[in-house]
Amino acid sequence: NAGVTQTPKFRILKIGQSMTLQCAQDMNHNYMYWYRQDPGMGLKLIYYSVGAGITDKGEVPNGYNVSRSTTEDFPLRLELAAPSQTSVYFCASSKQGSGELFFGEGSRLTVL
Amino acid sequence: GENVEQHPSTLSVQEGDSAVIKCTYSDSASNYFPWYKQELGKGPQLIIDIRSNVGEKKDQRIAVTLNKTAKHFSLHITETQPEDSAVYFCAASSDTGRRALTFGSGTRLQVQP
Repeated sequence: NAGVTQTPKFRILKIGQSMTLQCAQDMNHNYMYWYRQDPGMGLKLIYYSVGAGITDKGEVPNGYNVSRSTTEDFPLRLELAAPSQTSVYFCASSKQGSGELFFGEGSRLTVL
Repeated sequence: GENVEQHPSTLSVQEGDSAVIKCTYSDSASNYFPWYKQELGKGPQLIIDIRSNVGEKKDQRIAVTLNKTAKHFSLHITETQPEDSAVYFCAASSDTGRRALTFGSGTRLQVQP
């Protein structure tokens, strides 16, 4: 059982480049989330989705976009990458809003 | 929105001692308080959670207490072992509004053998 799968695990981008972080879950969860983790700062919510076709902004959405065309997939798009977006990105899913989150293993992004 | 403060940021204990991590939250509507453990290079994993209709919950060596009046909750680990060494995060959410977890800044626990 794969759970939450994130790709790529590592990526280096140049300033101004764009990329998409992929996230897929096979647990038929309605809720999906993107968090970023900076050293000593915990996890900050970027975007979340309560179901296919529905997305909402979290605490730190600027510079990112998401889509949710299927229940399984929740890609995170970075347009015009900036050094401030250097971070570890975690995708997560849950069956309900106030319930256990299942996290992927993370994607470490460096913008130079 | 919700704000969760977590203390201490680092904690070092001897094997067999107890460890306590404390969190406060700001939104009185929050009613779900989980704790996650993150090992190096991995995503966080749920270790215990508590809802606002309960004051304390225990699972073997791990316990969580909640004081809704004071808006704080704590994680207690007894008889610590080297494998308890990790980063621990508290979090809070409510059943209304955003319904997404707000995390504390984390506590790095080191258990010395």
